[in-house]
Amino acid sequence: GAGVSQSPSNKVTEKGKDVELRCDPISGHTALYWYRQSLGQGLEFLIYFQGNSAPDKSGLPSDRFSAERTGGSVSTLTIQRTQQEDSAVYLCASSPHRGAGELFFGEGSRLTVL
Amino acid sequence: GENVEQHPSTLSVQEGDSAVIKCTYSDSASNYFPWYKQELGKRPQLIIDIRSNVGEKKDQRIAVTLNKTAKHFSLHITETQPEDSAVYFCAASMVGSARQLTFGSGTQLTVLP
Repeated sequence: GAGVSQSPSNKVTEKGKDVELRCDPISGHTALYWYRQSLGQGLEFLIYFQGNSAPDKSGLPSDRFSAERTGGSVSTLTIQRTQQEDSAVYLCASSPHRGAGELFFGEGSRLTVL
Repeated sequence: GENVEQHPSTLSVQEGDSAVIKCTYSDSASNYFPWYKQELGKRPQLIIDIRSNVGEKKDQRIAVTLNKTAKHFSLHITETQPEDSAVYFCAASMVGSARQLTFGSGTQLTVLP
């Protein structure tokens, strides 16, 4: 497809388990963002990849969260030892622009930690 | 880093009235200010953006104004319709930089029929 693809769309897991969320950005987009959106809340920045530069990890809430972007394309957000407060929609966005320009969001991955 | 404040957090207007949402930013180097609309259960989508070389931009019923001196920008929606009901997010960044886009906390707009 032409848009940003995220998987899984829904994930239910037990507290303490690890989860991986995948983002497939639009081909050719150099910038990739992960945001977290809790129910009824705003967009909480997690991590930003721009080309081959070191990622901006300043938004990751704890060391249980990590992300990588392989080959400048697909990104995986990993949450280790999940907690109930990790329950949220995790949104990925990509952009062809450096620092400014339209972000194209995926549909999100809804994570529920029981 | 950049900090973006957005007000109000909720806004209800009668259909046909105007709605105004305001944002302030902290970094005077920011020069790109987009607005995103997120309908219930949907992904955020860009509705309008403005760069700091202009003070106002319009697109049909929506407009954005920018005051660089005061470091604030606003979204104006005229002749509101029920389909305008959504959460609106402002954001700020800098063209050509590697700095990430910083979002405001969002405004839930409800247009009452």
